[in-house]
Amino acid sequence: DAGVIQSPRHEVTEMGQEVTLRCKPISGHNSLFWYRQTMMRGLELLIYFNNNVPIDDSGMPEDRFSAKMPNASFSTLKIQPSEPRDSAVYFCASSLESQHTEAFFGQGTRLTVV
Amino acid sequence: GESVGLHLPTLSVQEGDNSIINCAYSNSASDYFIWYKQESGKGPQFIIDIRSNMDKRQGQRVTVLLNKTVKHLSLQIAATQPGDSAVYFCADKSRVFGAGTILRVKS
Repeated sequence: DAGVIQSPRHEVTEMGQEVTLRCKPISGHNSLFWYRQTMMRGLELLIYFNNNVPIDDSGMPEDRFSAKMPNASFSTLKIQPSEPRDSAVYFCASSLESQHTEAFFGQGTRLTVV
Repeated sequence: GESVGLHLPTLSVQEGDNSIINCAYSNSASDYFIWYKQESGKGPQFIIDIRSNMDKRQGQRVTVLLNKTVKHLSLQIAATQPGDSAVYFCADKSRVFGAGTILRVKS
């Protein structure tokens, strides 16, 4: 398996624009996690899905952020409208089970909002 | 000038020495812990995990110790190599990560 695949690797967008980050988890994994990493706040869990259902979205910063998982092989994290403070590296991770197995991380998407 | 952001603890070790990285947790109900390594420009990578019914678990060159009494984890790396230089995170089953520790290996 190629591992967790995220796209794009880099995204530069203007403030106010919509941004969509994409993730393909490892085949067979039933849990998927979205994280944000910044110098200010470190690695933050935004949301996680189990069997395509959002289980905990308490880390989603505000209503501008939304995440979907329409099927077991694809998830999106959308920011609309984007703001400069959303600039960060966004990681997607997947695991076989939600709580007692390790998560495998993608390479991340570096988002810059100007 | 003023620096802004997380000030991660840094551990500097000589190549070949052993390294010990520490992590404290607050949730007494946590029964599963993971150590990750993150190299520059990459996502975190699994190193080793431990369940709360164990005090110690060994991998290749790495050992994790769990002290539930004081809610403390440590990661021990034997014979540290330059390739071990990275940021190390601990996480629990809730997938919340600690702030991380920078490990720098001097040749």
